[in-house]
Amino acid sequence: AQKITQTQPGMFVQEKEAVTLDCTYDTSDPSYGLFWYKQPSSGEMIFLIYQGSYDQQNATEGRYSLNFQKARKSANLVISASQLGDSAMYFCAMSSTRGSTLGRLYFGRGTQLTVWP
Amino acid sequence: DGGITQSPKYLFRKEGQNVTLSCEQNLNHDAMYWYRQDPGQGLRLIYYSQIVNDFQKGDIAEGYSVSREKKESFPLTVTSAQKNPTAFYLCASSERTAGVETQYFGPGTRLLVL
Repeated sequence: AQKITQTQPGMFVQEKEAVTLDCTYDTSDPSYGLFWYKQPSSGEMIFLIYQGSYDQQNATEGRYSLNFQKARKSANLVISASQLGDSAMYFCAMSSTRGSTLGRLYFGRGTQLTVWP
Repeated sequence: DGGITQSPKYLFRKEGQNVTLSCEQNLNHDAMYWYRQDPGQGLRLIYYSQIVNDFQKGDIAEGYSVSREKKESFPLTVTSAQKNPTAFYLCASSERTAGVETQYFGPGTRLLVL
């Protein structure tokens, strides 16, 4: 079974600083995908970044980068130069690559990030 | 504008009543999903559909039903058998690009039991 663990219920960071949100996963699939989503207080889930299990380089998307360490089964999200608008809940998720469950996501419990001025 | 719409934004259910949550997408995505989110929790999969007229149960399907008669629409019915339906419900659809299946979400519906 797929499992995602986010051990930080809450994180605080000062504006303009960088912050790392932790995510570890467990799967027996040789091929999988890792995602990060942002959920502001409005509730909508916003896709941020994706990392494939066979990708050699860490994914980057603007101020977001994914620190992928396959041997440690970790996929931490790094947000550089934090902004007040980054305050939100962040979810790590993993996709299945098995036939009948292809594409379905397994989510962690999330980390609430608060950015202060 | 392309996107995923969910209605209503808030829904109130009386005891013993069935209610239906709407999810529509105009992104031409084949796959659609329904998730439930409880306070302080991650998302849990209720049902998903990879193609019209076909759907599969997720991890918490009991007390829910779905249909997929059209590609654009994937309504979720919360039946009276669901004893604790108060939650935030999110619908998603996905596209496959360069071998990556990415899910995009609607704004959600908050269901409250009176």
